[in-house]
Amino acid sequence: ETGVTQTPRHLVMGMTNKKSLKCEQHLGHNAMYWYKQSAKKPLELMFVYSLEERVENNSVPSRFSPECPNSSHLFLHLHTLQPEDSALYLCASSQTMTHQETQYFGPGTRLLVL
Amino acid sequence: DQQVKQNSPSLSVQEGRISILNCDYTNSMFDYFLWYKKYPAEGPTFLISISSIKDKNEDGRFTVFLNKSAKHLSLHIVPSQPGDSAVYFCAASRFNFGNEKLTFGTGTRLTIIP
Repeated sequence: ETGVTQTPRHLVMGMTNKKSLKCEQHLGHNAMYWYKQSAKKPLELMFVYSLEERVENNSVPSRFSPECPNSSHLFLHLHTLQPEDSALYLCASSQTMTHQETQYFGPGTRLLVL
Repeated sequence: DQQVKQNSPSLSVQEGRISILNCDYTNSMFDYFLWYKKYPAEGPTFLISISSIKDKNEDGRFTVFLNKSAKHLSLHIVPSQPGDSAVYFCAASRFNFGNEKLTFGTGTRLTIIP
């Protein structure tokens, strides 16, 4: 399998549930990202990991908790979400975080919070 | 405060004609610009980029033009093909000592009419 994969592709959860989104990249990249895309809004950067260390937390509520156990895997743990958290969550990776580096995106997880 | 704006949510173009997608930005520190293309149920894929030291970059049917004084860039697709129907995102970044982030626009949905 090549590129960036994400599971699950679709997720429906209640506000009291705990779930996790998984991202895996097969490109040998050192940087990984979580983005959120809400309807009619730009992609919003949530978290950035470089060499498995978090280097950016873009003012994301604590009900979203990222984990990067190694350079190929990235998780987003979800708990006590709100309906306004319903969105498309995209994972991306790049060789490094440096300037002009192309980011490669996964297909996304479409999340619905009831 | 949206730093990258795509003011046209949608655009329809006849097959074989030229498609022109526009993007405006407000941050004069941006010095690298990208276009991503997104099909339904897939993640965005990198299409073409341009550095601020250039005013044009061409790759096959795709050309990106940058007008720094107007803080405006455009993507030209010629000739347009049905497979070009997708959502196109403009993105920008600036040098930040290895901590660069992409700032995205809201996207323009391009429909090529056969």
